Amino acid sequence: EAQVTQNPRYLITVTGKKLTVTCSQNMNHEYMSWYRQDPGLGLRQIYYSMNVEVTDKGDVPEGYKVSRKEKRNFPLILESPSPNQTSLYFCASHPGRIRNQPQHFGDGTRLSIL
Amino acid sequence: QKEVEQNSGPLSVPEGAIASLNCTYSDRGSQSFFWYRQYSGKSPELIMFIYSNGDKEDGRFTAQLNKASQYVSLLIRDSQPSDSATYLCAVGEGGGSNYKLTFGKGTLLTVNP
Repeated sequence: EAQVTQNPRYLITVTGKKLTVTCSQNMNHEYMSWYRQDPGLGLRQIYYSMNVEVTDKGDVPEGYKVSRKEKRNFPLILESPSPNQTSLYFCASHPGRIRNQPQHFGDGTRLSIL
Repeated sequence: QKEVEQNSGPLSVPEGAIASLNCTYSDRGSQSFFWYRQYSGKSPELIMFIYSNGDKEDGRFTAQLNKASQYVSLLIRDSQPSDSATYLCAVGEGGGSNYKLTFGKGTLLTVNP
């Protein structure tokens, strides 16, 4: 089954404690993204990756890091989380070369930073 | 900054009515257009996509695209309470390494029994 898998689904943690949210896709997609979703602000792109070892900033990259060492994985790293990063996070993937194909979303990760 | 604008709603319609959701976009170079449905706390799921001017129908859903007016809409016929959700318009441009998808903030639809 084609899917994007995020872990953890829920996390409550404290300010300053480094955390990583993992994302993995099994569709051999080139393009992967991270979004955060906040009430009234919609889906905002944090970072995206066009292929292995190729990443770029989205609209709200501050406070986040990503890496793309393998095609299937695209972890999101919060080196020193702060309360304003409390949000619902989605990972998504896309074939890349085929522009009219939709993005596939993971089930989301709800992060609470205290 | 490329923008995708949607009326935030809430849009409230009675069961069985037609719900009309609208979206405008700023970049004339946009090439693909998607409608996603999102239930509260869940991930977006694709409803329809369209990339040619005109209408595209799929069951109770019709997407309409007018590139000259930079406008895309989604009609939901015979609306059901289960259609109550936030509908996200997404606009894609480029391809390969230049692919970019921009989302609107979504319109909240409520279908009243």
